[in-house]
Amino acid sequence: AQSVTQLGSHVSVSEGALVLLRCNYSSSVPPYLFWYVQYPNQGLQLLLKYTSAATLVKGINGFEAEFKKSETSFHLTKPSAHMSDAAEYFCAVSDTGNQFYFGTGTSLTVIP
Amino acid sequence: GAGVSQTPSNKVTEKGKYVELRCDPISGHTALYWYRQSLGQGPEFLIYFQGTGAADDSGLPNDRFFAVRPEGSVSTLKIQRTERGDSAVYLCASSLGGGASDTQYFGPGTRLTVL
Repeated sequence: AQSVTQLGSHVSVSEGALVLLRCNYSSSVPPYLFWYVQYPNQGLQLLLKYTSAATLVKGINGFEAEFKKSETSFHLTKPSAHMSDAAEYFCAVSDTGNQFYFGTGTSLTVIP
Repeated sequence: GAGVSQTPSNKVTEKGKYVELRCDPISGHTALYWYRQSLGQGPEFLIYFQGTGAADDSGLPNDRFFAVRPEGSVSTLKIQRTERGDSAVYLCASSLGGGASDTQYFGPGTRLTVL
């Protein structure tokens, strides 16, 4: 069985500060891992994905995530937060591509 | 080009009624997924189509839920005898070929409210 745990349902950072959103996964096979962003009243948009190539994955809008098998983690980071980064972020895992399991989400607030 | 569209954007119905939710995927995408997102939760997988057939329907919560994709493009999610617990945002996503490495493109969702 697969699952995703996102630690921290709400994260607040100051504009210009480091963004760190945590995701731990459980999977019995090598997983595919994803981060999605959901802006208010919009659909989910893919930020980045890990598909067993490089462990450090770069995505859109300056975000990146590192796959750490030993820690079963796929944390999302951005060096400097912008006001426009305020949104809901979801981590997801899949093995076969038939089913995708999403975490409960982390709401990011950026304080000016 | 056009993204994934879903209609209606909002649907209010009464307990016990039947509803249909429609998804228009990106043209040429063979894979289509339905999810349900309850308040404060992440999307929950319901069903996955590859072409016209349901490749995986293990996420459908019970037999009141059914989905079709007769021509391999538009899909309809059907809910019979709606219950208040069915209230949620229903999301549709499509990808070019299916498979975990393919990017899923999500629609804006249909917000279903069962009174």
